[in-house]
Amino acid sequence: RKEVEQDPGPFNVPEGATVAFNCTYSNSASQSFFWYRQDCRKEPKLLMSVYSSGNEDGRFTAQLNRASQYISLLIRDSKLSDSATYLCVKKAAGNKLTFGGGTRVLVKP
Amino acid sequence: DAGVTQSPTHLIKTRGQHVTLRCSPISGHKSVSWYQQVLGQGPQFIFQYYEKEERGRGNFPDRFSARQFPNYSSELNVNALLLGDSALYLCASSLEGGGTGANVLTFGAGSRLTVL
Repeated sequence: RKEVEQDPGPFNVPEGATVAFNCTYSNSASQSFFWYRQDCRKEPKLLMSVYSSGNEDGRFTAQLNRASQYISLLIRDSKLSDSATYLCVKKAAGNKLTFGGGTRVLVKP
Repeated sequence: DAGVTQSPTHLIKTRGQHVTLRCSPISGHKSVSWYQQVLGQGPQFIFQYYEKEERGRGNFPDRFSARQFPNYSSELNVNALLLGDSALYLCASSLEGGGTGANVLTFGAGSRLTVL
């Protein structure tokens, strides 16, 4: 079983709609969790950190459920520019990041 | 301010050759990490260096090696290239070596290696 697993998608989303997707992880020794965004043929960029209490950044809401070992990302009022691959990431000791395979989101007019 | 810079951006090699990829971290960052991203997959951890010492190594063969220089820049070397080494090689820098908290990693644009 992979340490971080994601539904590869694609999630086809009408512009203005809400989309949500999860990521499951194993090895609960992990300390920190993140969502990164990656545009086609570009580098990953940090979207937001994920906290157990849940956190929002504008139209984006992230949640961490340590008991069930999953992380979620919700995007409200989707924009065309939200089309990207969203990478679920856990950070263990040091700076080693373990990435999921990514969930592709396509926002359509 | 310059971000993480990597060179070359693209390169083509043949099987059995050797490649050296270079990375300059954000000014003031002391840690550099290398990741390999094969098409359609998430990045995979290769190495981390902090203050010129190796701090972590992923599940990659000994053909992969790296080092960090006194100015904190880094090189990734891959010997005896295989077709499966074709990938985007990403360098990420951070202020510190890790530990607790969300020590943010910033990625460079990557070096795209094609092995024929």
